Parts: sequence; C-alpha cells; structure tokens
Amino acid sequence: GAVVSQHPSWVICKSGTSVKIECRSLDFQATTMFWYRQFPKQSLMLMATSNEGSKATYEQGVEKDKFLINHASLTLSTLTVTSAHPEDSSFYICSRTGVGGSYEQYFGPGTRLTVT
Amino acid sequence: GQQVMQIPQYQHVQEGEDFTTYCNSSTTLSNIQWYKQRPGGHPVFLIQLVKSGEVKKQKRLTFQFGEAKKNSSLHITATQTTDVGTYFCAGGSGGSNYKLTFGKGTLLTVNP
Repeated sequence: GAVVSQHPSWVICKSGTSVKIECRSLDFQATTMFWYRQFPKQSLMLMATSNEGSKATYEQGVEKDKFLINHASLTLSTLTVTSAHPEDSSFYICSRTGVGGSYEQYFGPGTRLTVT
Repeated sequence: GQQVMQIPQYQHVQEGEDFTTYCNSSTTLSNIQWYKQRPGGHPVFLIQLVKSGEVKKQKRLTFQFGEAKKNSSLHITATQTTDVGTYFCAGGSGGSNYKLTFGKGTLLTVNP
C-alpha cells in the first residue's frame, strides 16, 4: 500500500492567495523528505530537501520566500505556495527515502495546483 | 551541476516488440535508480543499481549500470500494454546526500 500520502490531491486557488500542501510518511519516521515540481510531460524538478527540525535546503533558483517548507514532525512536511500566480500552476510531488538509509525514494500521489 | 541525459524522449512500439531507454550522466554516480510513472500517476520505484557493470532483471525488464558508473539502460522484452508509462532514470551521488537528479524520461506507448 501507499507509504506516502499527500493532501489535497488537487486544488484550485485564486491568484494572490496561499496554498498549503501536506505530505505524510505513513509507515516510517522520515527525517528527510523531498519536494518536486513536475510540468506536463516533463521531468521531476527537485525544489527542496525538507529536514525535520531544521531549515529546508532549497535548490538553486527556487524562491525560499515563495515556497515555504516546514518539517515539524518526523511524519509530516508541508509546502506552502505563497501569493500564488498562474505560473505556479503545476504538479507538486513529495517523497521520502527508503528505510534504513537506503537511497530509493517513495513518492506521494502528488497535488495538482491550478492558480486562476 | 550533475546532469542526467535520457533518450529517447518518446518511443512507440507494437505490443510484443522490445524497448530500450538509455541514461547518461555527466558525472560518476554512486547509484542509479529507475522509476515508472503511469499517465496521471506518480513515480514508482523500480530498482536501484550500485555496482559497476551491474545487471539486474525483473521479469521482462533488464537494468544495466555501466562499468564507469556514468550510464545505464532499461530494456523491456516483449512489451505489453501494461508497460505504458514514462520511465525515468535518476542518478544519486551517495554518501549522506540522498538527492536524485532525474533524467527527462522516456514515454513509452504500446499499440495493442
């Protein structure tokens, strides 16, 4: 069964508003989780690494103040898209690593964000 | 930074034909992973290769990691309609760094 959940699965918001996406590790306490963005028919672009109890590590070109990441517990990481604009419309997917330090990643079902 | 190139971008085959997608990294990798994403779905982990020259099989799927640990391939024998989806390779640097660099993916469509 699923090991990572995301909520909501899709959301439509108006330009200028903020949207929070939750990512939960269901079976494992994850100190590290990842947030990706995927445009239609394109690859996954890593946005940031979410670290439990500390600040997220953002990839080059990703605006920290726009994409707020909080990893307050070992099973929950959140991504907040602040002051959303239509160009932020995308598929946002989170993931966690495997158990015992293994490198494979397990992805959530993704959140489809549409900003009108 | 690390770049992972993947070809072809698209591949359309008749059911029963074979399929191969190739990945090439700009740097030596610690590990390479393969994922499958069905249309409308999320990436699902298939396999991880860590050793130079490693070959792993999963039923009709054969995965290879190059001797220099910079390239990899996924070969599907006798494709089925259930194989439809986008196949991504992802390179890892290893150590304490769990980040992956994904290739652009190969979209496989299968004509029944």
